[in-house]
Amino acid sequence: NAGVTQTPKFRVLKTGQSMTLLCAQDMNHEYMYWYRQDPGMGLRLIHYSVGEGTTAKGEVPDGYNVSRLKKQNFLLGLESAAPSQTSVYFCASSLRTVTGELFFGEGSRLTVL
Amino acid sequence: AQSVTQLDSHVSVSEGTPVLLRCNYSSSYSPSLFWYVQHPNKGLQLLLKYTSAATLVKGINGFEAEFKKSETSFHLTKPSAHMSDAAEYFCVRHTYGAAGNKLTFGGGTRVLVKP
Repeated sequence: NAGVTQTPKFRVLKTGQSMTLLCAQDMNHEYMYWYRQDPGMGLRLIHYSVGEGTTAKGEVPDGYNVSRLKKQNFLLGLESAAPSQTSVYFCASSLRTVTGELFFGEGSRLTVL
Repeated sequence: AQSVTQLDSHVSVSEGTPVLLRCNYSSSYSPSLFWYVQHPNKGLQLLLKYTSAATLVKGINGFEAEFKKSETSFHLTKPSAHMSDAAEYFCVRHTYGAAGNKLTFGGGTRVLVKP
């Protein structure tokens, strides 16, 4: 009964380092999303995927890349981390229906020094 | 751009008293609006959703929200706050299209419940 699982949950990087956040869902959802959460701004969409092998840009895609090689996994990469990318990152997934409900992971807190 | 505005960044209530969280949306011909809750160090959970059916929507944990088109509002209420209601609440606008289920978030309201 895992739902959406994100790894790692915490990470500290130095400016210029790279890293990948992994999101895995076991609900057979078609759609997957990466959001970032910053104080007072709610969640903002970074990238999303409507199916295996497809990705697209959201509101704030600069500095991030994503891949969806398998339906159950959605990876978020930072090639050269910057302090402005210090945030809490949330992965979510949903069915291909107009229900609107997204299922969220518990978040990954990233600090870039 | 279509958006939602949460009028209070913080709300403090005493246990057992009513909770009111205010949300206004920018005008749209057919808004689909949700409330999500985020407990500390947790992901977001759907509380309730309005999708142009009944204007008074009941959600989980005793919460409800009323859609008022004339006021472009979708305020969230609960008659009696419980300590477990301490969390951050997001008013969210939902659209469905090429991006699938797209959510546009308000800035959030953090609720503190005092014993």
